[in-house]
Amino acid sequence: AQSVTQLGSHVSVSEGALVLLRCNYSSSVPPYLFWYVQYPNQGLQLLLKYTSAATLVKGINGFEAEFKKSETSFHLTKPSAHMSDAAEYFCAVSPYTGANSKLTFGKGITLSVRP
Amino acid sequence: NAGVMQNPRHLVRRRGQEARLRCSPMKGHSHVYWYRQLPEEGLKFMVYLQKENIIDESGMPKERFSAEFPKEGPSILRIQQVVRGDSAAYFCASSPGLAGLNEQYFGPGTRLTVT
Repeated sequence: AQSVTQLGSHVSVSEGALVLLRCNYSSSVPPYLFWYVQYPNQGLQLLLKYTSAATLVKGINGFEAEFKKSETSFHLTKPSAHMSDAAEYFCAVSPYTGANSKLTFGKGITLSVRP
Repeated sequence: NAGVMQNPRHLVRRRGQEARLRCSPMKGHSHVYWYRQLPEEGLKFMVYLQKENIIDESGMPKERFSAEFPKEGPSILRIQQVVRGDSAAYFCASSPGLAGLNEQYFGPGTRLTVT
């Protein structure tokens, strides 16, 4: 069984400040890990993914995440927030093996960016 | 190169009616996943299909919900005798289903409102 925990439902940062969105996972097998972003009334867009290669993963829009097996974490960061980063962010996990790669999502975190 | 298409984008049904949600995967993708997003919650897996086969329906409610992915045409998620609790955003995602390449691409979703 797999699960994802995203602590807190809302994070607010000032424009230009560091963005840190936390994600912890539980998985009985080596996982694939993902961060998705959802803008209002839109579908999910993949930001980045971890697939057992490099532990530091770089994604789109300046985001990156680090896989830490010992901490079972995959936190998302961005050095400098931009107003356009305001959205909802979901961390997700899927099984490492098998064709059935159904995603288990966290509850999501809403990021607000203050001018 | 069209992405995942879903229609309708918005659907209003009265209690007791049927809802049909359509999903056309990306070109070359033969695997489809359906997820439901209830208000204030993350996405929950419902069903995973390959062409003409339901592979994993562990997330589907036992009654009133069914899904198909015929040899020709889009995947259909069907909800019979809708109730207010079915109001949600329904997303489909497609993937090529190749080993190790299980990235899913999401459609824009269908927002179902039951009155």
